[in-house]
Amino acid sequence: ETGVTQTPRHLVMGMTNKKSLKCEQHLGHNAMYWYKQSAKKPLELMFVYNFKEQTENNSVPSRFSPECPNSSHLFLHLHTLQPEDSALYLCASSQVGGEWTKNIQYFGAGTRLSVL
Amino acid sequence: KQEVTQIPAALSVPEGENLVLNCSFTDSAIYNLQWFRQDPGKGLTSLLLIQSSQREQTSGRLNASLDKSSGRSTLYIAASQPGDSATYLCAVSPTYGNNRLAFGKGNQVVVIP
Repeated sequence: ETGVTQTPRHLVMGMTNKKSLKCEQHLGHNAMYWYKQSAKKPLELMFVYNFKEQTENNSVPSRFSPECPNSSHLFLHLHTLQPEDSALYLCASSQVGGEWTKNIQYFGAGTRLSVL
Repeated sequence: KQEVTQIPAALSVPEGENLVLNCSFTDSAIYNLQWFRQDPGKGLTSLLLIQSSQREQTSGRLNASLDKSSGRSTLYIAASQPGDSATYLCAVSPTYGNNRLAFGKGNQVVVIP
């Protein structure tokens, strides 16, 4: 258990569905991240939240909508996805700022998303 | 834009052999470099982190070196075991306070019993 929990672990959805991915971190960190991992490609950073504020949106299509209600929870709302959005979606958290900051990111196990 | 390359993409070694995994990055202005392990269908686990001012880090059978000026890092795994079979990912962090990691595609390792 890494301290970062993602649900659901697997999700199959149609192109017209609306679903949400959830991430919760139990590490007391102040930053959270969404990544997309597709076959044969490097991990792609999607969104970054520092202290609940979005600081990075890496040109992600608007059909992906993040929400960070507090520093422990992060959601990714999905709607009208495309088959090419099928991938492993990983959440991570880290502690940033301060003298002892090594920016180690701790990852959840991911949600395997299939869009039909 | 930082680009991270890992060679080889995949390799198989017999149990007991030492593993050498290579990572290169195009922009040497990094804050730190991390090696992660990923098992199939799972998330990433941080193995070692090297600050830009350091040359190497060691943890048990793992040793990671960093040559920042040439944009290279190497992960050594001594006396490999079947449990070391996984994908190993290299990631670099640009500057202090910037938590945007750039990842390589990974080295997929199989250790044959």
